[in-house]
Amino acid sequence: TQLLEQSPQFLSIQEGENLTVYCNSSSVFSSLQWYRQEPGEGPVLLVTVVTGGEVKKLKRLTFQFGDARKDSSLHITAAQPGDTGLYLCAGANYAGNMLTFGGGTRLMVKP
Amino acid sequence: GAVVSQHPSRVICKSGTSVKIECRSLDFQATTMFWYRQFPKKSLMLMATSNEGSKATYEQGVEKDKFLINHASLTLSTLTVTSAHPEDSSFYICSASRWGGSYNEQFFGPGTRLTVL
Repeated sequence: TQLLEQSPQFLSIQEGENLTVYCNSSSVFSSLQWYRQEPGEGPVLLVTVVTGGEVKKLKRLTFQFGDARKDSSLHITAAQPGDTGLYLCAGANYAGNMLTFGGGTRLMVKP
Repeated sequence: GAVVSQHPSRVICKSGTSVKIECRSLDFQATTMFWYRQFPKKSLMLMATSNEGSKATYEQGVEKDKFLINHASLTLSTLTVTSAHPEDSSFYICSASRWGGSYNEQFFGPGTRLTVL
């Protein structure tokens, strides 16, 4: 069974601050996906990282996949209240047909 | 592209009745569809994996006779909660898998909030 540890579980920060969310595993994933979910809605795919060491940027969000494809991080620069939500990382198995989800990071950005 | 719809978005039913939830991939054919359950302030818990034309694969601890899954086409999967009880109240989310060229990506529906009285 593949496990994905996500940290921190909760994060409450002021607008303008930076933050990093981590996902770590002892398993190797073929790819890793990051989602953001708002209350009462389904998760929305933000990015998929595939190659070890890959870095992808989405405006103020920077996603990194570890060299060994066992870990990933999400860094948000100058957080805004609109970034508030539940962030989920999910690693894909090599058949590519199953996702293992991290426990989620609940982010609150206060104005 | 990659839009997944779910219907209904919210349902309230009496204990002992059955409820059907539909999941559709609107602009792509999904190789596989998945059903998840999410408890308040928790991450997603995979219930079952569904492939078109074959029996669903259920995760350990999920009763297949309780949660019936039918995958009639490459764009439609349904989850029926049979003889629902209050402990079945939850947020149910489906996802559809699409091949992205070198990897599969899952796209999620908006979820269905089930309340069993």
